[in-house]
Amino acid sequence: NAGVTQTPKFRILKIGQSMTLQCTQDMNHNYMYWYRQDPGMGLKLIYYSVGAGITDKGEVPNGYNVSRSTTEDFPLRLELAAPSQTSVYFCASSTTGGRRSEKLFFGSGTQLSVL
Amino acid sequence: AQKVTQAQTEISVVEKEDVTLDCVYETRDTTYYLFWYKQPPSGELVFLIRRNSFDEQNEISGRYSWNFQKSTSSFNFTITASQVVDSAVYFCALQETSGSRLTFGEGTQLTVNP
Repeated sequence: NAGVTQTPKFRILKIGQSMTLQCTQDMNHNYMYWYRQDPGMGLKLIYYSVGAGITDKGEVPNGYNVSRSTTEDFPLRLELAAPSQTSVYFCASSTTGGRRSEKLFFGSGTQLSVL
Repeated sequence: AQKVTQAQTEISVVEKEDVTLDCVYETRDTTYYLFWYKQPPSGELVFLIRRNSFDEQNEISGRYSWNFQKSTSSFNFTITASQVVDSAVYFCALQETSGSRLTFGEGTQLTVNP
């Protein structure tokens, strides 16, 4: 099993550019998440999804958009990139959440720099 | 709102020492889950343990042990006889069953020196 796969691993953007971070999982997990990790900090939740067609905002959603058209894929879109979005981005998935919370499986991360 | 505090930003020990990483949490839910994750220098996040709020039994897994005390809202993590390979950032996290969000603490950087 590949688990959670994120692409690309590294990316440098210019201010104002846009890009999509890809995330796919092959474990048939309903729950998927996007986190960002700033240097020396914990993870902040950007967006999450409890199933195909359902997404919701996390703690820091501004400047990002997501979609969940399939169970496997949960892309994160950055429109008009800003230096404040320089961070490491992690995608994660789990079988359940809420009352039956299970552990998260994480991708290997995408290091994004906006210059 | 839920919150996780890891007051120790960095800890440095010598190999074979025991070390405890502190985690204090805040929540209004009576049912919740607590987690510990490890982030080695390679950057990936590795699940270590999940504990639900109804289970206050301490847990031991090899050199790792966890002390959950609901009365003090703490979920501390002890590594016995630390090894260089234990060097990593360790994150404590909380998930309330009323929502789907997992809230992370800011992490403790553990360095184990030979």
